[in-house]
Amino acid sequence: KQEVTQIPAALSVPEGENLVLNCSFTDSAIYNLQWFRQDPGKGLTSLLLIQSSQREQTSGRLNASLDKSSGRSTLYIAASQPGDSATYLCAVRPMGGGNKLTFGTGTQLKVEL
Amino acid sequence: DAGVIQSPRHEVTEMGQEVTLRCKPISGHNSLFWYRQTMMRGLELLIYFNNNVPIDDSGMPEDRFSAKMPNASFSTLKIQPSEPRDSAVYFCASSFSSGETQYFGPGTRLLVL
Repeated sequence: KQEVTQIPAALSVPEGENLVLNCSFTDSAIYNLQWFRQDPGKGLTSLLLIQSSQREQTSGRLNASLDKSSGRSTLYIAASQPGDSATYLCAVRPMGGGNKLTFGTGTQLKVEL
Repeated sequence: DAGVIQSPRHEVTEMGQEVTLRCKPISGHNSLFWYRQTMMRGLELLIYFNNNVPIDDSGMPEDRFSAKMPNASFSTLKIQPSEPRDSAVYFCASSFSSGETQYFGPGTRLLVL
């Protein structure tokens, strides 16, 4: 059974700092991995999707990397802003497993002024 | 596009009552997902549909839960009878097809007293 872990569970940083969020998964047979953002009381917003054949994806200040063999992904946020404060979740889709995403428990990020 | 629409946004009910949650996916999307989010278990997939057909309902907790998708633009998740342990946020998501990015609705916050 796939298990997805995110460390740390919570993180507080000053504005402008670069930061890294971690995601690890136990079964490396994945189709893709996705990073989401969840604001309090709201649904999830997809940030980046990395296919299993890719090593990284970039969108603006965000960069996500994938090391499938070691079961790890990182989300790098450059020059953090207070608006980045949210919970970040990673999710993996199994190879040949259709649409069944397995989510991590999330990292709650707070960027302070 | 209005995005995924869910109703109601909040529901408070008493144990034993029937609860019906509704979802309208993004027009043109042919995959629809129902998730449940709790502090203890995180985000869990309950069931998903492709082209209105249920594909995987292994996440449905028990027979008290049922889901239908009578057409491409509407789905319901029903709990009958409801129990306090069903209290959670229920999300609906949709995507163009299997393997593509999922777009989440704002969720329905359910409290069963």
